[in-house]
Amino acid sequence: DADVTQTPRNRITKTGKRIMLECSQTKGHDRMYWYRQDPGLGLRLIYYSFDVKDINKGEISDGYSVSRQAQAKFSLSLESAIPNQTALYFCATSDPGLAENYNEQFFGPGTRLTVL
Amino acid sequence: AQSVTQLDSQVPVFEEAPVELRCNYSSSVSVYLFWYVQYPNQGLQLLLKYLSGSTLVKGINGFEAEFNKSQTSFHLRKPSVHISDTAEYFCAVSKNTGNQFYFGTGTSLTVIP
Repeated sequence: DADVTQTPRNRITKTGKRIMLECSQTKGHDRMYWYRQDPGLGLRLIYYSFDVKDINKGEISDGYSVSRQAQAKFSLSLESAIPNQTALYFCATSDPGLAENYNEQFFGPGTRLTVL
Repeated sequence: AQSVTQLDSQVPVFEEAPVELRCNYSSSVSVYLFWYVQYPNQGLQLLLKYLSGSTLVKGINGFEAEFNKSQTSFHLRKPSVHISDTAEYFCAVSKNTGNQFYFGTGTSLTVIP
């Protein structure tokens, strides 16, 4: 869905490096989310934000931080990357204000991160 | 707390055969239920959702799911699969007051020619 974009799409980095993954959306949604996907574990929530001033930890926030620079932008940072953070990362948005879409989440294409 | 169980991690099925992907959830409150599909090297897209009303929900690509409150299930079905249905399928729940999604671990559907 081109309404939610993620950059980069692929990244290979080394242990200890700082990495930032970026997410932008043109859907006008207030709510944004970061997930990681690992084989056999499904998607797990890292952080979520309901507006620019609101940041919340998800299920697996340790080792990650986020920044909500604007309604349309939500970045995920790995301050010091480690190999077990190798995963597929997804950004998502939602808008609870629309009854027919309530709680439906719209996903970006994902960023494949490899930490060596 | 909510949890979602997808009972089958892998489901192989022959082309044009029917398929059912199982999903059970646990929750002490009313929930919304979703099925998402992830095609190879792509993000997740919504197949269908149950918010309220009719317990039989129809989605895209010929899929449907039935909400069964007494069995806390939301199984996904398709009467005749195509090769193009090969993908990973995720069940998800959200409280109806809710802020977060809870995803199952996924079911990999492989359609065999």
